[in-house]
Amino acid sequence: GAVVSQHPSWVICKSGTSVKIECRSLDFQATTMFWYRQFPKQSLMLMATSNEGSKATYEQGVEKDKFLINHASLTLSTLTVTSAHPEDSSFYICSARVPGFDEQFFGPGTRLTVL
Amino acid sequence: GDSVTQMEGPVTLSEEAFLTINCTYTATGYPSLFWYVQYPGEGLQLLLKATKADDKGSNKGFEATYRKETTSFHLEKGSVQVSDSAVYFCALSQGAAGNKLTFGGGTRVLVKP
Repeated sequence: GAVVSQHPSWVICKSGTSVKIECRSLDFQATTMFWYRQFPKQSLMLMATSNEGSKATYEQGVEKDKFLINHASLTLSTLTVTSAHPEDSSFYICSARVPGFDEQFFGPGTRLTVL
Repeated sequence: GDSVTQMEGPVTLSEEAFLTINCTYTATGYPSLFWYVQYPGEGLQLLLKATKADDKGSNKGFEATYRKETTSFHLEKGSVQVSDSAVYFCALSQGAAGNKLTFGGGTRVLVKP
């Protein structure tokens, strides 16, 4: 099956710094990728839809200047958490959609801890 | 807006026991319904899906039936194995799984030998 990777798997940073998370489709080209956020013991919440070569579509309530998404190639999307604060600590998960299929393939997630 | 509610875990049971995880939804129109599974250290995987009322999705011994009258999509397995220990997520989309997904909170299942 299609494989999606994320890097790093976990990261700890100081408040005020920026952190970049990568999402890669390893064996297929993904025109659409999704970024989710999961709080402890809570549901996955869609943050944004990332389309290759165009601006991301953010869900209501998600700050686009805070969570920068770039989908510059068909195999890579990045999420940058800018000026991170402790409340940004969370588990971030990406998924990729295979063209022609109606299924999303998920990455293993990245745990961000902001001190 | 759309929402999914599933039973809270953890659910702990013995090998070969019967498993049921309840899932109900609120949505406009006729959503597609999904169950995803997340094994330790891995990404979510699609377990099964149903796209219209009365459809039954099945995979790896798991089954779920799309019940529009009760807005439910309960997951069942007749005889669980230790390898079924995972977190299970119920989800819906207004369209195919390639479209935006709305997830339930997840249910952790632990199967003991």
